[in-house]
Amino acid sequence: ETGVTQSPTHLIKTRGQQVTLRCSSQSGHNTVSWYQQALGQGPQFIFQYYREEENGRGNFPPRFSGLQFPNYSSELNVNALELDDSALYLCASSLPYQSGELFFGEGSRLTVL
Amino acid sequence: AQKVTQAQTEISVVEKEDVTLDCVYETRDTTYYLFWYKQPPSGELVFLIRRNSFDEQNEISGRYSWNFQKSTSSFNFTITASQVVDSAVYFCALFTDSWGKLQFGAGTQVVVTP
Repeated sequence: ETGVTQSPTHLIKTRGQQVTLRCSSQSGHNTVSWYQQALGQGPQFIFQYYREEENGRGNFPPRFSGLQFPNYSSELNVNALELDDSALYLCASSLPYQSGELFFGEGSRLTVL
Repeated sequence: AQKVTQAQTEISVVEKEDVTLDCVYETRDTTYYLFWYKQPPSGELVFLIRRNSFDEQNEISGRYSWNFQKSTSSFNFTITASQVVDSAVYFCALFTDSWGKLQFGAGTQVVVTP
């Protein structure tokens, strides 16, 4: 069984640039969630995708957008990067209606200079 | 609104000591699920335990045990006979059907020294 994989693991961008982070879900999982974890804080929910449709969104601006593909993999796109976007971005996959039991990847650490 | 509070920011112990992590939650839902996740330095959040709101039975699983008390909205977690490999950040999290997503606390850093 393949776990959740994310790429890239680390990246550095400058303010105003755009970034795309990628996630492959665990085998058989059709729901993908993205979380942002700033240094020293708990993860904050960005959005969730189920069957290629956005299925809920947290308190993040529209410049945070996503996609889910037919193979259930997903992308997180962030436009017009700001310094505060520096964080660990975690992807988690799950089956629907599993009441919060998520399987996380190791994350993509984004630094915005 | 959902809220999870972990008042302890860091706990340092010597190997073989017990460690208890506190978690207090807020929700108006009657059905909810509580979780503990472990985050080692690699960054990946590792699922440890889940309890639903209808099951207050406290259990022990290996060196892990938990104390769920609805009357005080607390879901505390204990590591018995800590080991250096237990050093990590531990997160308490809440899931409700009305919110549909995990709400995490701020985490507690556990440092176990030999």
